[in-house]
Amino acid sequence: SAVISQKPSRDICQRGTSLTIQCQVDSQVTMMFWYRQQPGQSLTLIATANQGSEATYESGFVIDKFPISRPNLTFSTLTVSNMSPEDSSIYLCSVEDQGGHEQFFGPGTRLTVL
Amino acid sequence: AQSVSQHNHHVILSEAASLELGCNYSYGGTVNLFWYVQYPGQHLQLLLKYFSGDPLVKGIKGFEAEFIKSKFSFNLRKPSVQWSDTAEYFCAVTRTGFQKLVFGTGTRLLVSP
Repeated sequence: SAVISQKPSRDICQRGTSLTIQCQVDSQVTMMFWYRQQPGQSLTLIATANQGSEATYESGFVIDKFPISRPNLTFSTLTVSNMSPEDSSIYLCSVEDQGGHEQFFGPGTRLTVL
Repeated sequence: AQSVSQHNHHVILSEAASLELGCNYSYGGTVNLFWYVQYPGQHLQLLLKYFSGDPLVKGIKGFEAEFIKSKFSFNLRKPSVQWSDTAEYFCAVTRTGFQKLVFGTGTRLLVSP
């Protein structure tokens, strides 16, 4: 299984600012995913990040708000731009195993926007 | 659109009680089914999964789930829960051949000693 770390683990930010979340994996993976878990709700996929190509965003999520980088096969970043209190959530990255049979999740970044 | 329903949002049980958590999904095609668990302060981790074959699948820590295609269900069961099973449980579905996981809203299980 893959070991995934995220930085920061939590942050409190002011409205209108941006935060970049890092996701590091201990092995090379093709597919990386970014999810959001809003308070009291389930996980929702934001986008899929493949190395060497533009991220693919789900309905309701746009690149200007959630720009993603995927510079290599072990690392990705998600930026939450121009934050508002509605962006307060846990943001998680995940990776797919080599066989494409399951996803492994990072510990999440708990973001609070004041 | 594909959706997943978990009808029990909060469940409280005593140790040794039996557990069944419901999960229903809306997609009519071929699906892959998962149960994830998040223990307090820990990562989401996979409990069990169903891709094909025997519809009764066994996972870690004594959990099992049964895929009933006619009911679009994938309920999670454990015959005798322990205090250490206190966690949040998520059912998730992907369409076969696709990577997008669609999650249910989760069920918080509290097991009292």
